[in-house]
Amino acid sequence: EDKVVQSPLSLVVHEGDTVTLNCSYEVTNFRSLLWYKQEKKAPTFLFMLTSSGIEKKSGRLSSILDKKELFSILNITATQTGDSAIYLCAVRAQGGGSARQLTFGSGTQLTVLP
Amino acid sequence: NAGVMQNPRHLVRRRGQEARLRCSPMKGHSHVYWYRQLPEEGLKFMVYLQKENIIDESGMPKERFSAEFPKEGPSILRIQQVVRGDSAAYFCASSPPGTGTFGNTIYFGEGSWLTVV
Repeated sequence: EDKVVQSPLSLVVHEGDTVTLNCSYEVTNFRSLLWYKQEKKAPTFLFMLTSSGIEKKSGRLSSILDKKELFSILNITATQTGDSAIYLCAVRAQGGGSARQLTFGSGTQLTVLP
Repeated sequence: NAGVMQNPRHLVRRRGQEARLRCSPMKGHSHVYWYRQLPEEGLKFMVYLQKENIIDESGMPKERFSAEFPKEGPSILRIQQVVRGDSAAYFCASSPPGTGTFGNTIYFGEGSWLTVV
């Protein structure tokens, strides 16, 4: 059974801090890893990672994948209160009908204090 | 181009009643997925449908739960004889068609929050 573990489960920081969120996975026939941000509504897409070692960036957010060690990190620099949310990591496997389902971790609840 | 539309956004049901959750995918999307999110947990896959077909229902509870995506109209997730443990957020997502491809992302709706009292 595919498995995704995120850590920490929750994190409280102050504005301006830098945070690193972790996601480790076990999946048969890995295809891609996705990060989502969820603010009490629809998860919104952040990144999709398929190749090791290639950093994806979007503003203050960046993410990288290590397919050898089976993990990914999501970095947020100069955090703002608007970054407060649950960050979800999900993996997708190759092949067959199950290729279209995502296996999610339980998320990291980030709280950024002013 | 409207996003994935779910309704109702909030639903309260008494134990034993039925709950029907509706999902209209994004325009041009023919693949629909239902996920459930229990308190303090991540999203759990329930079912994947294409028009008039259930492709993968490996995450659906064996009893009381059913899903459909008719040729016309929204996808419906139906929960019969609800129990308190069914209280959760139910998210629908959609993705475009393709030759076995997923697309870069799937798009989620805002969720339907079911409370069973």
